[in-house]
Amino acid sequence: KAGVTQTPRYLIKTRGQQVTLSCSPISGHRSVSWYQQTPGQGLQFLFEYFSETQRNKGNFPGRFSGRQFSNSRSEMNVSTLELGDSALYLCASSLAGDVGEKLFFGSGTQLSVL
Amino acid sequence: KQEVTQIPAALSVPEGENLVLNCSFTDSAIYNLQWFRQDPGKGLTSLLLIQSSQREQTSGRLNASLDKSSGRSTLYIAASQPGDSATYLCAVAGGTSYGKLTFGQGTILTVHP
Repeated sequence: KAGVTQTPRYLIKTRGQQVTLSCSPISGHRSVSWYQQTPGQGLQFLFEYFSETQRNKGNFPGRFSGRQFSNSRSEMNVSTLELGDSALYLCASSLAGDVGEKLFFGSGTQLSVL
Repeated sequence: KQEVTQIPAALSVPEGENLVLNCSFTDSAIYNLQWFRQDPGKGLTSLLLIQSSQREQTSGRLNASLDKSSGRSTLYIAASQPGDSATYLCAVAGGTSYGKLTFGQGTILTVHP
């Protein structure tokens, strides 16, 4: 069974641009969560989607958004990129989306903003 | 607000040593606690998940314990190997926060031959 797949693996953008990251969950998994990892702040929760609905959101500005499609694949978008958005973005999926359910993480997208 | 702290921040040991990594959390109302391993620039690999009703979990050379009332967990690694070198993260799930884990800052482990 394929794991969580994130594309692209690496991305370089300049300030002010926007970027879209993609996440394909494990087959059959319906919940997708997104996290940002930086050396200073560590791993921080961005948002969670289940059945195309955002159920939970972390403390990030509105420039960070996401969506989920009917096949459970998810995308996150960051508009008007800032230098501080440089990070490893990880997505995770779970089967039923229950609280406390085990999350399976992808390898991440490394975003560099110049 | 849940806060998770991991001690030590970094640890360097010779191969073969047994070692303990520590994790503490401020809010004991958790669903479970999970230990992850992360290699540089890579994603997270789940090592052990302990439900709030459990005291410990074991997998191979790894043993994780949980004391929910005191807000502490330990990860014990027996007979460490150079391949164990990585960052170890603990994370807690709690409340009604779908998909949200609160992570510690991690312990960077180096096992030298």
